[in-house]
Amino acid sequence: AQTVTQSQPEMSVQEAETVTLSCTYDTSENNYYLFWYKQPPSRQMILVIRQEAYKQQNATENRFSVNFQKAAKSFSLKISDSQLGDTAMYFCAFMTGAGGTSYGKLTFGQGTILTVHP
Amino acid sequence: GAVVSQHPSWVICKSGTSVKIECRSLDFQATTMFWYRQFPKQSLMLMATSNEGSKATYEQGVEKDKFLINHASLTLSTLTVTSAHPEDSSFYICSADGGQGIWEQYFGPGTRLTVT
Repeated sequence: AQTVTQSQPEMSVQEAETVTLSCTYDTSENNYYLFWYKQPPSRQMILVIRQEAYKQQNATENRFSVNFQKAAKSFSLKISDSQLGDTAMYFCAFMTGAGGTSYGKLTFGQGTILTVHP
Repeated sequence: GAVVSQHPSWVICKSGTSVKIECRSLDFQATTMFWYRQFPKQSLMLMATSNEGSKATYEQGVEKDKFLINHASLTLSTLTVTSAHPEDSSFYICSADGGQGIWEQYFGPGTRLTVT
């Protein structure tokens, strides 16, 4: 079974600064996908960024980028130029790829509450 | 594209009654849908995987007789909480699988259930 661990229950950052959220995972699968989701106060889950495990290049989406260290099973999220609208709960998630034992299922970490201060 | 809706967004029911929550994929067909439960400031816990035309697969510890799931079409899955009790009060979220090759789930906005 896969496990996802987010060791930072809460983080805070000043507007316009950079913050990094940590995530580690454990799996015996070789083909998988990793995601960061944002859940603002509305509680709608919003996909922030995704990473295919077979890709060595770190994914980037505008102000959001990841540091994917496959050997270390680490998948951190960096938010640059933080904005007030980034205030939310952030979840790291793991999905097994084709042929995996839990095909298509998402396993979530505990979440990190991020507060951006003006 | 890839919009998932849930209805109702908020429901209050009395203890002992049943309540049905609908999850619809609006602009795509979803062979597989998932149901999650979330308590305040906690993570999403997968309850069950719903496959169109077949019985749902429940996660360990989830009472299948209490949480009835039906996936009658490629765009609709329903979760019925039977004989609800206050401890069933929670936030229920559904997601739909984007399909083979998409490797992504699309989430509904969630339903807040309060049992009095």
